[in-house]
Amino acid sequence: AQSVAQPEDQVNVAEGNPLTVKCTYSVSGNPYLFWYVQYPNRGLQFLLKYITGDNLVKGSYGFEAEFNKSQTSFHLKKPSALVSDSALYFCAVRDWEAGNNRKLIWGLGTSLAVNP
Amino acid sequence: DAGVIQSPRHEVTEMGQEVTLRCKPISGHNSLFWYRQTMMRGLELLIYFNNNVPIDDSGMPEDRFSAKMPNASFSTLKIQPSEPRDSAVYFCASLEPRSGLAGSTDTQYFGPGTRLTVL
Repeated sequence: AQSVAQPEDQVNVAEGNPLTVKCTYSVSGNPYLFWYVQYPNRGLQFLLKYITGDNLVKGSYGFEAEFNKSQTSFHLKKPSALVSDSALYFCAVRDWEAGNNRKLIWGLGTSLAVNP
Repeated sequence: DAGVIQSPRHEVTEMGQEVTLRCKPISGHNSLFWYRQTMMRGLELLIYFNNNVPIDDSGMPEDRFSAKMPNASFSTLKIQPSEPRDSAVYFCASLEPRSGLAGSTDTQYFGPGTRLTVL
């Protein structure tokens, strides 16, 4: 069965330190992978995606993610965290078992807290 | 572009009342998704439209929920009668037509959501 796992409910990091939010996946087709961020009382905002090509994908607000096919992972990273990065982060993958349906399978989210 | 627009932003109603949530997708987008977000169940897909036609409504919890998309620029999600367990944040997201490299246009764009409280 296809799935997305975000193994950490919460990640805490000090401002200025590097951050990593983990995501692993299992899909039956090509892994089209996405990261979204949700700030309090806001909708989800697209950060970045991997479709093909370079395994290191750069996105908005200084975030990047590394696609690792052998480990079936797509971890979100940032070299230096800001307090304003505190938010809920979602990983998602294209649902291939939905046929032509363009659905995504969503992780449960990881709450990132950046401490001053 | 104004992005995906949802109304109302907040809705408080009493159990048994009818609730209608509204969504205007991004102009030119031809797919629309309704999601529900709760602490217990996370983000759940309720229904998905393509070219105004419901393609997958397997996530609609029960007959009390219905959704329509009468044209490319408007969709509604209706709950009748509403129950306290329907309290959640409801999001609408839209997607541009498929084109170019496969997967390149699979980025969903979300509205700000409607926070529904059923007393």
